[in-house]
Amino acid sequence: QVQLQESGPGLVKPSETLSLTCIVSGGSINSSYWSWIRQPPGKGLEWIGYFYYIGNTNYNPSLKSRVSISVDTSKNQFSLKLSSVTVEDTAIYYCARINWGHDAFDIWGQGTMVTVSS
Amino acid sequence: EIVLTQSPATLSLSPGERATLSCRASQSVNSSLAWYQQKPGQAPRLLIYGASNRATDIPARFSGSGSGTDFTLTISSLEPEDFAVYYCQQRSKWPPFTFGPGTTVDIK
Repeated sequence: QVQLQESGPGLVKPSETLSLTCIVSGGSINSSYWSWIRQPPGKGLEWIGYFYYIGNTNYNPSLKSRVSISVDTSKNQFSLKLSSVTVEDTAIYYCARINWGHDAFDIWGQGTMVTVSS
Repeated sequence: EIVLTQSPATLSLSPGERATLSCRASQSVNSSLAWYQQKPGQAPRLLIYGASNRATDIPARFSGSGSGTDFTLTISSLEPEDFAVYYCQQRSKWPPFTFGPGTTVDIK
């Protein structure tokens, strides 16, 4: 059974780069598309971007200039980098698997809280 | 960009009652509409995909309907564990994914 686990710093300073990693266990990262989604405290969900291991990426236009998603197939993990962060980027960040047959996110990590503060 | 609107924002009901949640899209998404349940401190869980198909291990009391721009999630008889926030999500050409603002189902 595929499971996802996010990790990374819980506190990032304004203007710096947020970096998170999602480890995929119970399955190969090469077998699916993977995504990052975030949720500001007490608010709704925002899709950040997705990738496929051969290099196909797609980002939310509202974040595209600051976002990068990359993969390390040898470690079965993928990463998110979000540059020039502000307090508006404070959120729970989730990694998730895209099921294109369902047009939906069928497996989610537990999420990791990132606070942007000096 | 396709915008999803959910109503009502909050639904106050008692266990055993029927819950009807609405999701409206600003333009047609055909049947590419999913529903998620989120409980406090937890990640969202996929309930319904393709507007009307239950995801794996989702109880039969959850059902989805609709196509085009108007969709409904129905919980036929609320169980205590069903009190949560529900989000709809659509898949379209660009941007590929957007979520609705959510409906909170709380205990009356």
